[in-house]
Amino acid sequence: AQKVTQAQTEISVVEKEDVTLDCVYETRDTTYYLFWYKQPPSGELVFLIRRNSFDEQNEISGRYSWNFQKSTSSFNFTITASQVVDSAVYFCALSRGSTLGRLYFGRGTQLTVWP
Amino acid sequence: DTGVSQDPRHKITKRGQNVTFRCDPISEHNRLYWYRQTLGQGPEFLTYFQNEAQLEKSRLLSDRFSAERPKGSFSTLEIQRTEQGDSAMYLCASSFQGALVGDEKLFFGSGTQLSVL
Repeated sequence: AQKVTQAQTEISVVEKEDVTLDCVYETRDTTYYLFWYKQPPSGELVFLIRRNSFDEQNEISGRYSWNFQKSTSSFNFTITASQVVDSAVYFCALSRGSTLGRLYFGRGTQLTVWP
Repeated sequence: DTGVSQDPRHKITKRGQNVTFRCDPISEHNRLYWYRQTLGQGPEFLTYFQNEAQLEKSRLLSDRFSAERPKGSFSTLEIQRTEQGDSAMYLCASSFQGALVGDEKLFFGSGTQLSVL
């Protein structure tokens, strides 16, 4: 069975602080994909990143960075120098190799960045 | 706007009524997905289509739910005899799956918020 756990329900930080959102996953598949999505108050899910199970290289995109560690089944997301516009719900998700759009989502982490 | 479009944005209905939602995917996307999201939870997969064929249905999709994608373009999701537990955001997403596995990227619509009174 596939499962994604986001233990942090809510996080509040002050602008310019760094923040890390945790994601732990479970799967018996050897080929799988991990995702992060952002859901602002408008409701639309915005794709942030996708990694496959064979690529453990960490990635940085501007203020965003992702740390994928198969040894601990984690795929954590860090926002550096947070901004008020980063306030949203962030979802970690997992899909099997055959159908990438068939996603198993975590419960999400509500991030609030205060000015 | 060439994104995924869902209609209506909001629907309020009384328990026992039937409701139908529509999703227009991005043009030429061959896959279309329906998800349901309740307050404080992540989206849960309901079903998906490859062109007009419905390839997978979640156990969450009871007999009261039916989805169609005639001609492989837009899709409808119908809920019959609505119950209060059906209140949720219904999200549609589309993608293009080509020959290469791993290329598929999902684009979500803004969802239809259903409230059953």
